[in-house]
Amino acid sequence: DVKVTQSSRYLVKRTGEKVFLECVQDMDHENMFWYRQDPGLGLRLIYFSYDVKMKEKGDIPEGYSVSREKKERFSLILESASTNQTSMYLCASSTTLYETQYFGPGTRLLVL
Amino acid sequence: SQQGEEDPQALSIQEGENATMNCSYKTSINNLQWYRQNSGRGLVHLILIRSNEREKHSGRLRVTLDTSKKSSSLLITASRAADTASYFCATDVRAQGGSEKLVFGKGTKLTVNP
Repeated sequence: DVKVTQSSRYLVKRTGEKVFLECVQDMDHENMFWYRQDPGLGLRLIYFSYDVKMKEKGDIPEGYSVSREKKERFSLILESASTNQTSMYLCASSTTLYETQYFGPGTRLLVL
Repeated sequence: SQQGEEDPQALSIQEGENATMNCSYKTSINNLQWYRQNSGRGLVHLILIRSNEREKHSGRLRVTLDTSKKSSSLLITASRAADTASYFCATDVRAQGGSEKLVFGKGTKLTVNP
């Protein structure tokens, strides 16, 4: 079974802090994704990566950056956390960009 | 603008009844997928139907796709309390950089009452 893990289930940070969210997949998938999910807005794509060191902006990249140094690991970085980045963050991986995605359990981030 | 939109936004039924959710989309697709999300958890893939398929079954799930109407439906038969979750459709669109990506709808929240 595909397993996608995220470093934290719950995280509380202060405004202005640098925040790292880590995602690891164990299925040798080429593609990895970061979404945020907010009530009434559904899932929105922040960034995705189709290969090591390759990344592409999604729909809402502002305020975020990503890093993919190894195939199995995709990190989302909030350079200076703000209260409007309080959200549920979901990581996913897949073999192709538009076929089945396998999701991690999510990280609920609260920025105070 | 939203590629896939589910209808209804919320659905409440009794255990044993069937639940039908619909998804409409705007542009041509390679495939359409349905996912389930239990409260506060990640999404779980349920079924993928390709653009050249009209119907697909998986256990108690039946998915139809009508590309002429740009719509899909998910039917859950003989529902159980454990089916209580949000259900999302996802379709592929071309991202800004030219790559394909999945776009998710806002979901249908299904409640199955025991």
